[in-house]
Amino acid sequence: GEKVEQHESTLSVREGDSAVINCTYTDTASSYFPWYKQEAGKSLHFVIDIRSNVDRKQSQRLIVLLDKKAKRFSLHITATQPEDSAIYFCAAKRGSSGNKLIFGIGTLLSVKP
Amino acid sequence: GALVYQYPRRTICKSGTSMRMECQAVGFQATSVAWYRQSPQKTFELIALSTVNSAIKYEQNFTQEKFPISHPNLSFSSMTVLNAYLEDRGLYLCGAVDWGSAETLYFGSGTRLTVL
Repeated sequence: GEKVEQHESTLSVREGDSAVINCTYTDTASSYFPWYKQEAGKSLHFVIDIRSNVDRKQSQRLIVLLDKKAKRFSLHITATQPEDSAIYFCAAKRGSSGNKLIFGIGTLLSVKP
Repeated sequence: GALVYQYPRRTICKSGTSMRMECQAVGFQATSVAWYRQSPQKTFELIALSTVNSAIKYEQNFTQEKFPISHPNLSFSSMTVLNAYLEDRGLYLCGAVDWGSAETLYFGSGTRLTVL
């Protein structure tokens, strides 16, 4: 079946540095790629998404890149802050309604002061 | 903005009993509601996807007999875990989306199920 693989299970950076989390997907029909953040013991909070009609999207300190040929997408967090520390999940789905969102395993990001 | 309320936040039930969780969308129409489970040390597994005017689609390993879902209108959904056992423990999330306006799935706060 379709899979989303998240390559870094843990990532540790110093405050102010950039963090990059990489994901790959198997379903070539995937066209929507959201990222979610989960703080300890809490639910999923939507962070940013990208659709397959673009290859880059930025929202403040967050940048998402999409490489459809390689079936790879990544989340870049610039100028990291301690409050960015959390588990980040990438996900992918096909475009139309009724299709499921498939999650990666999650990356635990630690931002050290 | 879009908000999804989920309750209860935590629940403890005895092995073999059942528990129900509810999900309310505020500020948008939940044309689809997805129920996920995060088991300990795992990622989020889709249990079922409910879309208005369509049959509820259950994923492999999850059945309506075990996880009956109701989605009676565009703002509410509920799911019951019947005959809960230890392997059913975890964080259950409902996610709602309004396909008419966006593709983003917004999640509720989750229901953490402990089975004794």
